[in-house]
Amino acid sequence: KAGVTQTPRYLIKTRGQQVTLSCSPISGHRSVSWYQQTPGQGLQFLFEYFSETQRNKGNFPGRFSGRQFSNSRSEMNVSTLELGDSALYLCASSLGTAYLEQYFGPGTRLTVT
Amino acid sequence: DQQVKQNSPSLSVQEGRISILNCDYTNSMFDYFLWYKKYPAEGPTFLISISSIKDKNEDGRFTVFLNKSAKHLSLHIVPSQPGDSAVYFCAASAGEKAAGNKLTFGGGTRVLVKP
Repeated sequence: KAGVTQTPRYLIKTRGQQVTLSCSPISGHRSVSWYQQTPGQGLQFLFEYFSETQRNKGNFPGRFSGRQFSNSRSEMNVSTLELGDSALYLCASSLGTAYLEQYFGPGTRLTVT
Repeated sequence: DQQVKQNSPSLSVQEGRISILNCDYTNSMFDYFLWYKKYPAEGPTFLISISSIKDKNEDGRFTVFLNKSAKHLSLHIVPSQPGDSAVYFCAASAGEKAAGNKLTFGGGTRVLVKP
């Protein structure tokens, strides 16, 4: 079974621009979560989608948004990029019910200059 | 407010010996705990989990212990191997008590296994 895939793997953007990251979950998984990893803040939860609905949201500004499609693929968008948005963005998928492990993709390394 | 803490940022251990990683949490709503291993430039890899109805779970060389009264869990790796050198993250979930699958992560412990 193919794992979680994320595209692109690396991205360089300029302050003020916007960016869209994509995540394809493991086949059959209906839950997709997004996390941000930075050296200062560690791994932080952004949001989770299940069956095209946002089920949970972390403490991030409204510039961070996401969506999930009917095939469970998900995208996250960051508008008006700031230098502090430079991070590794990780996507994780699971079957969706609680008490099940989440499987992570390799991440997208975003650098904002 | 760090709800999940890994107080040891790094750990060095000899190959073949036991590695013990510790994790403390403050949120009593957490009832499902996971350990992940992460290599640089890769996503975290799931290792082992434990629900709050248990106090121990084993999977091969990995054993997780949960002490609910102390809000403490630990991961034991026996025997440690050089390939275990990585950053280990403890994560917690409120399970059915919260909407969704939000994981709260600790800051990580970097493990170095010396040959």
